[in-house]
Amino acid sequence: DTAVSQTPKYLVTQMGNDKSIKCEQNLGHDTMYWYKQDSKKFLKIMFSYNNKELIINETVPNRFSPKSPDKAHLNLHINSLELGDSAVYFCASSQDLGTGGYGYTFGSGTRLTVV
Amino acid sequence: SQKIEQNSEALNIQEGKTATLTCNYTNYSPAYLQWYRQDPGRGPVFLLLIRENEKEKRKERLKVTFDTTLKQSLFHITASQPADSATYLCALPLGDMRFGAGTRLTVKP
Repeated sequence: DTAVSQTPKYLVTQMGNDKSIKCEQNLGHDTMYWYKQDSKKFLKIMFSYNNKELIINETVPNRFSPKSPDKAHLNLHINSLELGDSAVYFCASSQDLGTGGYGYTFGSGTRLTVV
Repeated sequence: SQKIEQNSEALNIQEGKTATLTCNYTNYSPAYLQWYRQDPGRGPVFLLLIRENEKEKRKERLKVTFDTTLKQSLFHITASQPADSATYLCALPLGDMRFGAGTRLTVKP
């Protein structure tokens, strides 16, 4: 039973398109995240959601919008895709934002390629 | 601004030796620090957490130290095996967890 699952695993699309990546966790965690890992393998936080409310919003373009229909889901919608958006996007979840020190559980990633 | 640095981009060692990875941070006093393992094509996997009042933490062949004066954590893998080959990331809480760039460890038979 996969703890954090994200779909699709691979996504190839043309510039200018709009796409979504879905994420679901079955751990009962309160907080979910989206991270971007670029070609240099550096993992950067994009968004955090706690109890369906956005609590941290990094300086990412407003073409990116997280959507959480319930505590177990956090989807990432991207408008007007650009070449620079090509990266691996990871969804993660944890029991809290970070005060308790609980480890994050990551999904297996979505490799987005914009052509 | 706060920085997290993992000094070695890559580390190659012989099987059976101890691997030591370094994580340094600046302008910051974290309450704890975490280490993760990432295999190619996979998401990071949580390994260990060490709190600021703990000098050392062990889990099987893994050992983590945390020196708040030096602002440094060391991650050791003893009796290393080829299966330990992966990228290891340190992470510190800054609201959410912020990750270092990682060290790619290769253990050769």
